[in-house]
Amino acid sequence: RKEVEQDPGPFNVPEGATVAFNCTYSNSASQSFFWYRQDCRKEPKLLMSVYSSGNEDGRFTAQLNRASQYISLLIRDSKLSDSATYLCVVNIGNRGSGGGADGLTFGKGTHLIIQP
Amino acid sequence: GAVVSQHPSRVICKSGTSVKIECRSLDFQATTMFWYRQFPKKSLMLMATSNEGSKATYEQGVEKDKFLINHASLTLSTLTVTSAHPEDSSFYICSAREIGATNEKLFFGSGTQLSVL
Repeated sequence: RKEVEQDPGPFNVPEGATVAFNCTYSNSASQSFFWYRQDCRKEPKLLMSVYSSGNEDGRFTAQLNRASQYISLLIRDSKLSDSATYLCVVNIGNRGSGGGADGLTFGKGTHLIIQP
Repeated sequence: GAVVSQHPSRVICKSGTSVKIECRSLDFQATTMFWYRQFPKKSLMLMATSNEGSKATYEQGVEKDKFLINHASLTLSTLTVTSAHPEDSSFYICSAREIGATNEKLFFGSGTQLSVL
């Protein structure tokens, strides 16, 4: 099982719709979780952190389910500008816990296309 | 907010040449910077950790003599792809962590698209 797994998509969604996608992680010792947004040939940008209690930032809601080892991202009232690749990023701690030196493991991303 | 500057943004070079990529933290100091590589439709893969004033730490499978890293100051790390070959063509991104910050304070450069002919 891959460490961080995402459905690559693409998800084709009409403008204004609600879209949600999940990310599963294999290491139960994972400590923190993030959603990053990456546009084509651009750097990843932190969208939001994901907390156990769930968190919301405007049209974006992130949830964490530790028991089932997945995180989710919900986008409401989608805009054309939301079209991007959404990366699930998991911090599994230091190298001793199996993580890279930066502690982060990146998913391959979910490609989202918002259609007018 | 904190900014990491990376350049060049795009490089096209002939096979056998060396390419240097710079990564600068503009308004904060970073003892540690990270270099990643991303192939099309693949995830970001950590290549190496650049440590200010000491040798870089390379991930398994990354050739240290091929990818030279220098971190001469608290605001600058460079990655040199030596004797580049077409298979080195990729998107290279750096990131920097502000001294004393948590993982949420990991800032990425804008990336360098390397194309080796």
